[in-house]
Amino acid sequence: RKEVEQDPGPFNVPEGATVAFNCTYSNSASQSFFWYRQDCRKEPKLLMSVYSSGNEDGRFTAQLNRASQYISLLIRDSKLSDSATYLCVVNRGNAGGTSYGKLTFGQGTILTVHP
Amino acid sequence: DTGVSQNPRHKITKRGQNVTFRCDPISEHNRLYWYRQTLGQGPEFLTYFQNEAQLEKSRLLSDRFSAERPKGSFSTLEIQRTEQGDSAMYLCASSSSVGINYQETQYFGPGTRLLVL
Repeated sequence: RKEVEQDPGPFNVPEGATVAFNCTYSNSASQSFFWYRQDCRKEPKLLMSVYSSGNEDGRFTAQLNRASQYISLLIRDSKLSDSATYLCVVNRGNAGGTSYGKLTFGQGTILTVHP
Repeated sequence: DTGVSQNPRHKITKRGQNVTFRCDPISEHNRLYWYRQTLGQGPEFLTYFQNEAQLEKSRLLSDRFSAERPKGSFSTLEIQRTEQGDSAMYLCASSSSVGINYQETQYFGPGTRLLVL
């Protein structure tokens, strides 16, 4: 079983649609959570961190359920420019207690927004 | 441009040859990471430096791979006796440690795309 699992999609949605991505992680000791966005043949870029209470950034809302080890991303009012691969990312930290950002990525979910 | 830079951006080599990639992190960042990404997959962690010290290496990093960060600034990743399975995008990321902060943001470079023939 992969440590971080996502539905690879692809998701094809019209402009203005609402789309939701889900992600599960297997390590209950995971410390922090992120969504990254990756455009075709480009590097990943941080979209948003995910906090236990849930958080929102404009049209994007992220939720975390630690009990179920589940993370979600909701995109409202989709734009053509939202077309990309969305990567669910988990940081397990370090077993010795020191912190560093060793990131574990999901496979990515491909989103295509069409006119 | 003050972001993370990587060179070369593309590398084509024949099986059995050695290759070396360079990463220049954001200047004030003390943490540097290497990841590898194959088509259709997310990046996978390879190794991590804090300043010049290499503090963790993934099992993915076989003995043909070596990474250095001699002065705590730029880093190199060398692959010896390349194999076709080494073909991938090699990504470098950097960040700044701020005490105990799992939420640190990693900034990725554009990557080096390696093709082994």
